[in-house]
Amino acid sequence: GAGVSQSPSNKVTEKGKDVELRCDPISGHTALYWYRQSLGQGLEFLIYFQGNSAPDKSGLPSDRFSAERTGGSVSTLTIQRTQQEDSAVYLCASSLPGSYTGELFFGEGSRLTVL
Amino acid sequence: GENVEQHPSTLSVQEGDSAVIKCTYSDSASNYFPWYKQELGKGPQLIIDIRSNVGEKKDQRIAVTLNKTAKHFSLHITETQPEDSAVYFCAAGGNNRLAFGKGNQVVVIP
Repeated sequence: GAGVSQSPSNKVTEKGKDVELRCDPISGHTALYWYRQSLGQGLEFLIYFQGNSAPDKSGLPSDRFSAERTGGSVSTLTIQRTQQEDSAVYLCASSLPGSYTGELFFGEGSRLTVL
Repeated sequence: GENVEQHPSTLSVQEGDSAVIKCTYSDSASNYFPWYKQELGKGPQLIIDIRSNVGEKKDQRIAVTLNKTAKHFSLHITETQPEDSAVYFCAAGGNNRLAFGKGNQVVVIP
């Protein structure tokens, strides 16, 4: 596709359930990022992938959060035993190889609501 | 780590007037300062960026200024139009994590 694709666009789940959020980056972009956007808050960094490895996952808020990337392309963010405070928009971005000094291309996000 | 603050949180301007959003950052090692615009229901989109080797950059109605000594940078939008209404995020970073501010809601009143 032409841009970063995320699914699902909306997810409503019950507290305690596990959820998986998917990101399909722009073809050829080896860097992939997950951010979380809560109401009234900025973009909270979660994890960064370069290829299939995650050199920086220090932003993951707890061990209930994990992410993987396979084939240097699609990434999945998994939240186990969801809590109400996990409700947010989860944004994925990709960029050309390199550091944090280039344009990030964001998807439209996955809105997660935990009841 | 880097800490980025944005002011004001909300800004209303009359169409045709200018809008200015200011950001401060904490890490003097940061050397890259982008601005992103987020429209409702969309992901943020880069509108302009500046690197630490310049003090100002312009692109049509948008300009960014950087003061490395004071560790602040600003976004200037001139001749505002209704389509400029959005949330604007500043960010600061370099070889480490790119840190975003909390965003500014800009409302252009027709």
